[in-house]
Amino acid sequence: QVQLQESDPGLVKPSETLSLTCTVSGGSISSNSWSWIRQPPGKGLEWVGYIYYNRSTNCNPSLKSRVTMSVDTSKNQFSLRLTSVTAADTAVYYCARSFSGGFPYFDSWGQGTLVTVSS
Amino acid sequence: QTVVTQEPSFSVSPGGTVTLTCGLSSGSVSTSYYPSWYQQTPGQAPRTLIYSTNIRSSGVPDRFSGSILGNKAALTITGAQADDESDYYCVLYMGSGIWVFGGGTKLTVL
Repeated sequence: QVQLQESDPGLVKPSETLSLTCTVSGGSISSNSWSWIRQPPGKGLEWVGYIYYNRSTNCNPSLKSRVTMSVDTSKNQFSLRLTSVTAADTAVYYCARSFSGGFPYFDSWGQGTLVTVSS
Repeated sequence: QTVVTQEPSFSVSPGGTVTLTCGLSSGSVSTSYYPSWYQQTPGQAPRTLIYSTNIRSSGVPDRFSGSILGNKAALTITGAQADDESDYYCVLYMGSGIWVFGGGTKLTVL
């Protein structure tokens, strides 16, 4: 079973850039696609974006202008950058595998990391 | 803007059956959206229950089942147990690497 682990940026200041990395173990990042999902405190889950190992990406239209995603196959990692953050970006951020067996769903999840945007 | 709708809350008696639904603000949910369902308890990462409408994820008991009911996707829990008390989220795949989550249903077992 593939396992995912998010990095822990902790506190990010308003207007700065949030950077997260997800490390995949127990499987290859290649030939798979990966997503970021977030959950503000006390609220529901929101899909942020997706990256395929060949570096094609897509993201939530509401975040499109601020999101950049990348993949490093040599390290079995993929990353998220979210620019110009505000308090509304405070959330637990999860990484997840997006496709399994050809089906588009999230079959493996990281434990999540809380990112707080505050000065 | 696509909105995926779920009941905000639902309650079921222990041993009872409950059906949670997942709809679209505009249009009908079909198998083409590959609906999936996730269970989340406070402080935990979501757990995958159902994918592609009705396929149970590994280790999920068969009292959880998925279907299309009318114009919505549905998650049915048969013989509800106390530890089924959780938040349940449906997700629809819009194609081209885009997913949309529903707002979630808080299920109470009492």
